[in-house]
Amino acid sequence: DQQVKQNSPSLSVQEGRISILNCDYTNSMFDYFLWYKKYPAEGPTFLISISSIKDKNEDGRFTVFLNKSAKHLSLHIVPSQPGDSAVYFCAASGAGSYQLTFGKGTKLSVIP
Amino acid sequence: GAGVSQTPSNKVTEKGKYVELRCDPISGHTALYWYRQSLGQGPEFLIYFQGTGAADDSGLPNDRFFAVRPEGSVSTLKIQRTERGDSAVYLCASSPQGASGIYNEQFFGPGTRLTVL
Repeated sequence: DQQVKQNSPSLSVQEGRISILNCDYTNSMFDYFLWYKKYPAEGPTFLISISSIKDKNEDGRFTVFLNKSAKHLSLHIVPSQPGDSAVYFCAASGAGSYQLTFGKGTKLSVIP
Repeated sequence: GAGVSQTPSNKVTEKGKYVELRCDPISGHTALYWYRQSLGQGPEFLIYFQGTGAADDSGLPNDRFFAVRPEGSVSTLKIQRTERGDSAVYLCASSPQGASGIYNEQFFGPGTRLTVL
């Protein structure tokens, strides 16, 4: 029973355009959400996070949107660059829990 | 500064053997986590340490898996009587404090790829 779902295994985007990666969750106890980026043979690298008390968090080219009523979040990358090509994981944690629950990841390919 | 390091980077063993995987967290981080990532999946939580003690080991799949952190820094994940299904990348992460919510940004190491033949 997957509590964090990334339904798109892969996504291809032209360089300079917007990349939108989606994530859905089922556990209403989750109150903190993170996006990690992973290159081959490396560990996941933290990218951006959002608390459930907010609906948007922006950091440079990266913006995360949270829709609590829909239990949905998305990561926007604008403009996309070839170096953004990686696997992106959505993760969530809940109050009182220290563990992160991850989705299966979405492989983003940015085409020059 | 130095990130989380894990050794070995690759480990190949035979079914039934015992293996140890090591994690060196970021200096000063009190919280340490182990995750396992199987092919095509996201990382799955195994165990969490706050200091020397295992605060949550609910993710360990069975009693063949055990982890220690005797001095509150380096941690070792131990797997007895390995099975082919144990093949995965084992990831270690650390964070400055073991708080949930907004402080729960975890910094990951590169992982150890375990292959059980």
